[in-house]
Amino acid sequence: QQQVKQSPQSLIVQKGGISIINCAYENTAFDYFPWYQQFPGKGPALLIAIRPDVSEKKEGRFTISFNKSAKQFSLHIMDSQPGDSATYFCAVKETSGSRLTFGEGTQLTVNP
Amino acid sequence: DAGVIQSPRHEVTEMGQEVTLRCKPISGHNSLFWYRQTMMRGLELLIYFNNNVPIDDSGMPEDRFSAKMPNASFSTLKIQPSEPRDSAVYFCASSYSTSSDTQYFGPGTRLTVL
Repeated sequence: QQQVKQSPQSLIVQKGGISIINCAYENTAFDYFPWYQQFPGKGPALLIAIRPDVSEKKEGRFTISFNKSAKQFSLHIMDSQPGDSATYFCAVKETSGSRLTFGEGTQLTVNP
Repeated sequence: DAGVIQSPRHEVTEMGQEVTLRCKPISGHNSLFWYRQTMMRGLELLIYFNNNVPIDDSGMPEDRFSAKMPNASFSTLKIQPSEPRDSAVYFCASSYSTSSDTQYFGPGTRLTVL
């Protein structure tokens, strides 16, 4: 069963704009919510992550907003740049182990 | 640090042949993960090891797939016999599981089965 649903599938943003990607999960037994960034031909790389005891985490231009009651979390990229063009994956980690379950991915294009 | 090392980077083989993918995790990391990425199924976990012991192999698609971790610095994923539907990018990742949930991915092996 699909435990993580990510949207949108693709996103086009102008340089300087805000990119927003959303994820919803179906199980409450998760304790770690990372976002990974993947460039073509490369492996995914951790971008930013949050734990359920906080509602927001910011690192530079990247912010995660977490809504525990709604079982949703989102990635906000402020002042989006062409170099941010990549595929972004949300993921959830089970409390009982190390398994990460990934969302379907969002292909972000930032136009100059 | 060299990061996670995978070999080969590209593999083209014919249906029915045996394929072996290799991974060297980051030194000191004690958890190792094998993932498969396809357009249809996205990024899915096949198996992961902790301290060289397989912990969760529920994602291994069928008996044609097997994975081993003979020591802390080496793991293999074997497909025998390979089928065209096995064509995908296979990633290895490692983490220092006792203090971090961050998984560090290798560059991947692009497998094409003709």
